Amino acid sequence: DIQMTQSPSSLSASVGDRVTITCRASQGIANYLAWFQQKPGTAPKSLIYGASTLQSGVPSKFSGSGSGTDFTLTINSLQPEDFATYYCQQYNAYPITFGQGTRLEIK
Amino acid sequence: QITLKESGPTLVKPTQTLTLTCTFSGFSLSTRGVGVGWIRQPPGKALEWLALIYWDDDKRYRSSLKSRLTITKDTSKNQVVLTMTNMDPVDTATYYCARIGMVRGPYLDYWGQGTLVTVSS
Repeated sequence: DIQMTQSPSSLSASVGDRVTITCRASQGIANYLAWFQQKPGTAPKSLIYGASTLQSGVPSKFSGSGSGTDFTLTINSLQPEDFATYYCQQYNAYPITFGQGTRLEIK
Repeated sequence: QITLKESGPTLVKPTQTLTLTCTFSGFSLSTRGVGVGWIRQPPGKALEWLALIYWDDDKRYRSSLKSRLTITKDTSKNQVVLTMTNMDPVDTATYYCARIGMVRGPYLDYWGQGTLVTVSS
């Protein structure tokens, strides 16, 4: 199975900050990488697929990059509604696997 | 508008079989490239993919659970059913279904709200 490792596991930031979350795959996955946002008690929401393509309706403050094994999610100008847990997920090979999540908290 | 909704029991006893239904709208499972997957999330833990089924009835399962899982579709009813046998308390989780989008690879683009299943005697 492909292991997905996110860092950091948790992150404190202030409204208006820019943050970056990284995700590393245990083997190359080309660009078959998605990012999800999850708020407490709700379902994950897709943000990015293909490592860098925004899901329809997702604001451009979210951006993704990377290919192969190393990927990043950047969120610009943090707003209160952005504080959530973020997951990366590879879909290059079965089983589909997720990172352990990065909890983004308000400082 | 694409929506998915999971339904099934909220409480099952150990050793019982769990049957969950995903009812969706806004897309068809007869469309080439489309699929539906199941994912679960134990309380306070990360997401774990379980199984998926494609428009052409191609099915994939998490290998560690393959002996316990069965996924089927009813295209006319816009439903996908997941059964999991021999339930155990460690299977307590929120179970989600999600659509596989119209891009290369099994990208899960739209998700249901999830249903919490508790396994307890």
